[in-house]
Amino acid sequence: GESVGLHLPTLSVQEGDNSIINCAYSNSASDYFIWYKQESGKGPQFIIDIRSNMDKRQGQRVTVLLNKTVKHLSLQIAATQPGDSAVYFCAEIRQAAGNKLTFGGGTRVLVKP
Amino acid sequence: DVKVTQSSRYLVKRTGEKVFLECVQDMDHENMFWYRQDPGLGLRLIYFSYDVKMKEKGDIPEGYSVSREKKERFSLILESASTNQTSMYLCASSSPTTGQGGKAYFGPGTRLTVT
Repeated sequence: GESVGLHLPTLSVQEGDNSIINCAYSNSASDYFIWYKQESGKGPQFIIDIRSNMDKRQGQRVTVLLNKTVKHLSLQIAATQPGDSAVYFCAEIRQAAGNKLTFGGGTRVLVKP
Repeated sequence: DVKVTQSSRYLVKRTGEKVFLECVQDMDHENMFWYRQDPGLGLRLIYFSYDVKMKEKGDIPEGYSVSREKKERFSLILESASTNQTSMYLCASSSPTTGQGGKAYFGPGTRLTVT
């Protein structure tokens, strides 16, 4: 069925390097794509979102890229820090479905000192 | 500071009990969501609500029901708890009318154990 999924379950990154987390989606009707960060023992926290009519959006140290041709979403974290260690989820919103918010499976990012 | 609160952080119930999980948000958000989170399965949507007294099934509604009598409160009900409902339950809210449809705020979660 329709889904939002991730390529890699675990990503190890050296502190100071850039991280790239990937996500594939199957539903072309999504209106927003969102990245969330979940630290141990906490609920997910919003990082950044991108409308489906955009292909790039930048935030503080993060960039989200959307490639609708291949239905691929990525989150780039610049100069990864120990505090970036967490599980990252991509998610989608479909406004026509009552703003249903659906999540992918998650990627764990481990930052090595 | 925005806040989503859940009634319990940890809960232990017996098989067959009726269980209520409460969620309250103080942001006047229209949308509220209930997810369960299991290792290796990510967050799966159980039910969501886009307005008072409105509810929509998510991807795994079986064995659950919800209630939204007031805008700020969204309750998840396990009519007869079973061991396969042992999980972390997360509540969230969002406000699509503010142009921030993607920004949902989550509560800290309730870890439910059914024995």
